[in-house]
Amino acid sequence: LAKTTQPISMDSYEGQEVNITCSHNNIATNDYITWYQQFPSQGPRFIIQGYKTKVTNEVASLFIPADRKSSTLSLPRVSLSDTAVYYCLVGAYSNYQLIWGAGTKLIIKP
Amino acid sequence: EAGVTQFPSHSVIEKGQTVTLRCDPISGHDNLYWYRRVMGKEIKFLLHFVKESKQDESGMPNNRFLAERTGGTYSTLKVQPAELEDSGVYFCASSQVEGRGSNEQFFGPGTRLTVL
Repeated sequence: LAKTTQPISMDSYEGQEVNITCSHNNIATNDYITWYQQFPSQGPRFIIQGYKTKVTNEVASLFIPADRKSSTLSLPRVSLSDTAVYYCLVGAYSNYQLIWGAGTKLIIKP
Repeated sequence: EAGVTQFPSHSVIEKGQTVTLRCDPISGHDNLYWYRRVMGKEIKFLLHFVKESKQDESGMPNNRFLAERTGGTYSTLKVQPAELEDSGVYFCASSQVEGRGSNEQFFGPGTRLTVL
């Protein structure tokens, strides 16, 4: 199973764009990249999933270079409520067992 | 539509006692998962149900843990007897079958278990 590496923590300010990069050098051909968000005292919440290039939804964008050895979660114009832990996960689409790392603790300041 | 619910939200028990955690998945979700995070560690997979069948229980730590999903609806996770190292937050998640565009798992708020 591919291991992921993310920054332990980051901080930014309201209104800024935040980019969180995740390394997954051993990603397999059939692995997808998925990001979850977790607020204190809540369960993780799915943000976005992708396989290659760029994926965008109403919450975030996911950029995946051609070699797929890393990915970047981009949060546009963050607010205080985006303060949370963000997890990058890598695994086959049919692999229901999610493998979690330590995540990135994002703190947004006013 | 109601999300995944878990009961209780908190449980404090003494070592050696029994505790049963309950999870109600989103209606219509055949897949149900249990995860847990013990203090200072990462979230770890425990097991996966497809309807009432255990699809993968490779993450269950030992035979003190028993998960059931009778009728393929809600699930229970029983810890008997509880040990100090069982303290942590137990998450339940559910998902639809494959082919729906993503394999997103929907998580409940968790049950915080403290064993004294």
